Amino acid sequence: EVQLVESGGGLVQPGKSLRLSCAASGFTFNDYAMHWVRQVPGKGLEWVAGMSWSGSLIAYADSVKGRFTISRDNAKNSLYLQMNSLRIEDTALYYCAKDPGLRLGTLFYMDVWGKGTTVTVSS
Amino acid sequence: DIQMTQSPSSLSASVGDRVTITCRASQAIYNYVAWFQQGPGKAPKSLIYAASNLQSGVPSRFSGSGSGTEFTLTISSLQPEDFAIYYCQQYKSHPLTFGGGTRVEIK
Repeated sequence: EVQLVESGGGLVQPGKSLRLSCAASGFTFNDYAMHWVRQVPGKGLEWVAGMSWSGSLIAYADSVKGRFTISRDNAKNSLYLQMNSLRIEDTALYYCAKDPGLRLGTLFYMDVWGKGTTVTVSS
Repeated sequence: DIQMTQSPSSLSASVGDRVTITCRASQAIYNYVAWFQQGPGKAPKSLIYAASNLQSGVPSRFSGSGSGTEFTLTISSLQPEDFAIYYCQQYKSHPLTFGGGTRVEIK
C-alpha cells in the first residue's frame, strides 16, 4: 500500500525555522516527483513546492520562494521541506503528496496524499 | 501564474441529483487538469486527471470533460459519501495552482 507520513510540524515563533519530513513507503520513491501542498484551516489548497524524481527540477510557489527549500533523500525514501523566516501566514496543515509521473522531468498533479502535519506560526 | 476559477463556490443537492462543477483557467491549458475530492477532516483524494481520465478505484458516476480554458466535473447521481469539497488543479505550468473549491452540501 502506498503511504506517505508527514512529521515535524509544531508551534514556532515568527522568523524561526522548521523542517518537515515525509516518509514514503509502498512504491519506488526515487522514480517519482513529490510535492508539498498546504491548507489553512477552513480554506483551500495551496501548492507549495515540487521536486522531480531526479532533483533536476525544483519549483516553488511565489509565496515561499527564497524562504522554503524542498529536498529529498532517495536512500531514505524521504521528502523534506526546510522552512525559514516563517510568517504567521505560513500557519497551515502541510501535506506531502506523490506525483504520478514515472521518471518524468516535470511536475503534474498529486495522486497520493499523506494526512498532513500542522504548522502554527505564532508569538 | 495561471488562475483557476471554480463555480459555484457551493451548492446544495439531494441524493440522486446530477451535479456539475465548472473550472475556468485564465489561459489555455490543453487538458492539464486534475480534480480532487476532500471529505470533512480528510486529506484530498485524486478523482480525475488529464481532464477526463478517472483515477483507479473512483466510481464511474464521476466524469470530467473540457479542454483549453473550461472544464467540468460531473457527478451523475450524487451519493451520501459524495458530500465534500471539490478542487480543480492545473499542471500546464509552474506554479501549480488550484481552484478555490466547491462545497457540495446536502439539501
